[in-house]
Formats: sequence, structure tokens, C-alpha cells
Amino acid sequence: EVQLVESGGGLVQPGGSLRLSCTASGFTFSSYWMHWVRQAPGKGLVWVSRIKSDVTSASYADSVKGRFTISRDNANDTLYLQMNSLRAEDTAVYYCARVGLTGGAFDIWGQGTMVTVSS
Amino acid sequence: QSALTQPPSASGSPGQSVTISCTGTSSDVGGYNYVSWYQHHPGKAPKVMIYEVSKRPSGVPDRFSGSKSGNTASLTVSGLQAEDEADYYCYSYAGSNIWVFGGGTKLTVL
Repeated sequence: EVQLVESGGGLVQPGGSLRLSCTASGFTFSSYWMHWVRQAPGKGLVWVSRIKSDVTSASYADSVKGRFTISRDNANDTLYLQMNSLRAEDTAVYYCARVGLTGGAFDIWGQGTMVTVSS
Repeated sequence: QSALTQPPSASGSPGQSVTISCTGTSSDVGGYNYVSWYQHHPGKAPKVMIYEVSKRPSGVPDRFSGSKSGNTASLTVSGLQAEDEADYYCYSYAGSNIWVFGGGTKLTVL
């Protein structure tokens, strides 16, 4: 079964750090571009970051640039999001998603992991 | 990186058609045919309904269709069914390796 499973969420204090993981199974992970998308409580989906299949290029939303780092380990079929200098407004469910359709569209999403930034 | 503009809500009775708009600029929606639409039921993973403006993935009913005119993309749901009630989001490439979602539309089936 093609699947993405996020982990690593939790409660962290403002200014703290957290690393999210997204483990892929059922497909050749190294062949696909991957993204992180988040949804704050009661709000809409927001694009966070993207990484190419060969790890050569990453991009970020302005709101997280300089604080978040996306990476991947193609040997272990895992996508990461290192989040530093966390703020209350980073509180959200974080989803990883696979670009499996042309035009950059996502065909597979994980179930999400909750990150809460609070003192 | 401003969110694309969607109406907060839309509604229709079973069997009716509803169209949800997604307005951006010439730098995103208007500049590329890379608009996709996602259906999101709370607590579940989002599901792609339309990609590249008007293409439908296998398994998505043909009641769902997409189009674009200028800087505005649209999702039309025909023959509304109870299970169509969900949040819907448009998503577009915005150039320079940046992507943007719409603010979301809550579709209610009356």
C-alpha cells in the first residue's frame, strides 16, 4: 500500500525546536518531489516547503524561511522538516505530501502530525 | 505570498450544481496551468479532485470539473451528493519554486 506516515509532533515552547519525519512506503520514494503543508486550528491549508527528488533544491514559504529546513534521506525513504525558533503561529497539523501528478499536484498525503507551540 | 481568494462558504441541495471560485493574479493562477483542487474532510488527509486546471484523477467522479479564465480558476460539482460536503482548497504554482493555497471553501449540502 502506498503510504506516508508523519511523526515527531508534540508540545514545544516558543523559541524551541522540533524535527518532523515522514516515512514513505509502497513506492519508490527517491523518484518523487515532496512537500510539507500545514493547517493551523480552524484555518486553511498553507504550503510550507518543497524538496526535489534528488535533494538538489528546496524552497520555502516566507513565513518559515530561515527557521525551517526540509531534507530527505532517500536511502531510508524518509522526509524531514527541521523546525527552529518556533513561534505560537507555527501551531498546526503538519502534512507531508507526494507530488505524483503532473503540474505539481499531490496524489498522496499523510494523516498529519500536530505541533503545538506554547509555554 | 498571498493566499488565493476563495469564498468562505458555498451550498446547494442534493442534485444541484455548485461552482467554487479561486482568484489569484497573473503571477500564479493566471500565469500557469498548474491549478489543482483538494477535498478535505476534517480529521482526514486531503484528496485531489482536479489537477492541471481541468484534469480528473482516476477514481474521482466526473461530477467534479475544473476550469480557468484569466486569473480565476473554478471547481464545479454537479449532481451534489451528501458526501460532497467538505472543505475545498485550490492550489497553484506561483513561480520561483513557490506554491500557494486558497483560503478554503466550506461546501454544505443542504
